[in-house]
Formats: sequence, C-alpha cells, structure tokens
Amino acid sequence: GAVVSQHPSRVICKSGTSVKIECRSLDFQATTMFWYRQFPKQSLMLMATSNEGSKATYEQGVEKDKFLINHASLTLSTLTVTSAHPEDSSFYICSGFPGATDTQYFGPGTRLTVL
Amino acid sequence: GQQVMQIPQYQHVQEGEDFTTYCNSSTTLSNIQWYKQRPGGHPVFLIQLVKSGEVKKQKRLTFQFGEAKKNSSLHITATQTTDVGTYFCAGGASNQFYFGTGTSLTVIP
Repeated sequence: GAVVSQHPSRVICKSGTSVKIECRSLDFQATTMFWYRQFPKQSLMLMATSNEGSKATYEQGVEKDKFLINHASLTLSTLTVTSAHPEDSSFYICSGFPGATDTQYFGPGTRLTVL
Repeated sequence: GQQVMQIPQYQHVQEGEDFTTYCNSSTTLSNIQWYKQRPGGHPVFLIQLVKSGEVKKQKRLTFQFGEAKKNSSLHITATQTTDVGTYFCAGGASNQFYFGTGTSLTVIP
C-alpha cells in the first residue's frame, strides 16, 4: 500500500511553545489529507480536512487558530499546535487520501507531550 | 453531527472462538471502512464496503454493510492471538471519515 510518513514521531515541549508536525505522502499525491487526534484508549477524532492549495476545513470544536494546518503541496501537510498546553498532549495522526481509490493511508503518528 | 458507535467496547475471547463487532451510524454513509490498530501503532486499513448489503471476506474475516448503509459488522472466525488489537469502523460521507468508538479485542491463548 501507499506510504505516509510523519515527523517527528515523538515530541516533548514546554507549555506555551509551538510544535510543528509534518505529514508526507511518499509514493502518491494526496489531494486531501486528514488530521486526527487520539487520546489513550479512545477512538480517532477527526480534527480537520486539508486540501492542497486551499484552507483547511475544521471540525466543530477544533480551534483553527490553535491548530494551524498548511497543505502547500500534494505530498506535504503540516499541523502546528500553537501555544501548546498540557491538555493538548495526545497522539496526532495524519492520513493521505489519493482520491482515486477512496482509501486513506495513515501515517505512524506523532506523540505530543506538553509539560 | 456525525456519530458512529461500535459495540462492544471490549471483548475477551478464548483462542479459537469467534468474534463480532458492530458499527452503527446516525446517518446514511456513502461507504464504510474497517481498520485494525495494534497497541502503540497506527490504524491499518483492512477493507472498504460501498454497496448496500455488500459482504466481503478476507480469510477468517467477514465484513458486511447493511442494506440501509447505516450499519456494518466485522466477524472473525476462530480467533488467533495475532487478531489482538482494536478494530475501528470509519463511516465515509462527503469524502470525510468518522471513526467509530472501536472494539478492543483480547484473545486468550
């Protein structure tokens, strides 16, 4: 299957700092990328849908000014958690959606810990 | 908003027993996908169902999409220890996917 990478895999930061997470589709062009958040032993919660070259669509309850998403190319989307707080600590997972097959391919996830 | 529920939340089975997880959506779906997530890992795509009443099989796994396209099930025959993990359904609508609450499967050897 198609491969999606995420960087970094783990990050620990101090409260108040910003953290950028990269999501790359390595062997396909992702017209759409999704960003999810998963708390321990819970399901994946869709945060936003990112389309290349346009503004992301955020799910209800997700602050767009706090979770900045940029989808500058067909292979790269970034999520920046601004002014991170301990409650933002979570597992952030992206997925790439080629569109043609209606299958999304997940990255390995980024574990964020905010101290 | 879109809600996708799964039952049961947890299931412990003896190796060799069968296992079923059920997925129910509050709205009609265009498709449904199933994923398996091992502890510490990311979701791995298993299958997608698109047609009303569709049934697909993958070895010991049988997937079903309801006639009304609002529910789905995953059945595993004769579970093995390698089946351990959390199984999520994800309902697709308007090119977005809403994950179900997941069923965590434990297989006792």
